[in-house]
Amino acid sequence: DAGVTQSPTHLIKTRGQQVTLRCSPKSGHDTVSWYQQALGQGPQFIFQYYEEEERQRGNFPDRFSGHQFPNYSSELNVNALLLGDSALYLCASSFDGADGAGYTFGSGTRLTVV
Amino acid sequence: SQKIEQNSEALNIQEGKTATLTCNYTNYSPAYLQWYRQDPGRGPVFLLLIRENEKEKRKERLKVTFDTTLKQSLFHITASQPADSATYLCALAPYSGGYQKVTFGTGTKLQVIP
Repeated sequence: DAGVTQSPTHLIKTRGQQVTLRCSPKSGHDTVSWYQQALGQGPQFIFQYYEEEERQRGNFPDRFSGHQFPNYSSELNVNALLLGDSALYLCASSFDGADGAGYTFGSGTRLTVV
Repeated sequence: SQKIEQNSEALNIQEGKTATLTCNYTNYSPAYLQWYRQDPGRGPVFLLLIRENEKEKRKERLKVTFDTTLKQSLFHITASQPADSATYLCALAPYSGGYQKVTFGTGTKLQVIP
């Protein structure tokens, strides 16, 4: 049973460019949350998607947007990249009905902005 | 503002001893608290969850306590092994009307010395 799959694993972009990161949740999971983790820091919540809608959002600018598809997979888009956007981007999936069951994380996408 | 604090300094411990990690929080009323393990370059892995009405939870060599009066959780690894070396993240979820926005601490790096 595949867990959470993220692609690509690594990415190098130039300031001002746009990037799209992809996530396939664990089988049976319907909720996808995205996190940004800078080096030496804990994951910071970006937003959460459920039933193809953004359900909650953290303190991130509108340059960060997302989408969830009918098959529960999700994309994270970042526009007008800044050097400070360099980080590990983590996708976490869960089942909405499983209260407090914990997230299943992917291995992340390492984004470097130069 | 809400804050989750974990020891930022690394914890070094001799193999076979019990490792104890601390998580303190302020301005928060969590419904439950989770602990994750993260290895370098990988996503966090869910270990244990404890609810706000529970005092203690155990799983194999792991034990978690949750004191909502002190606003603190302790995470214990007994008979520690070098394979336990990793960063351990504390995460809290608030009363959220049935769905969860999980907020992470910065993590504590544990090094078990053979």
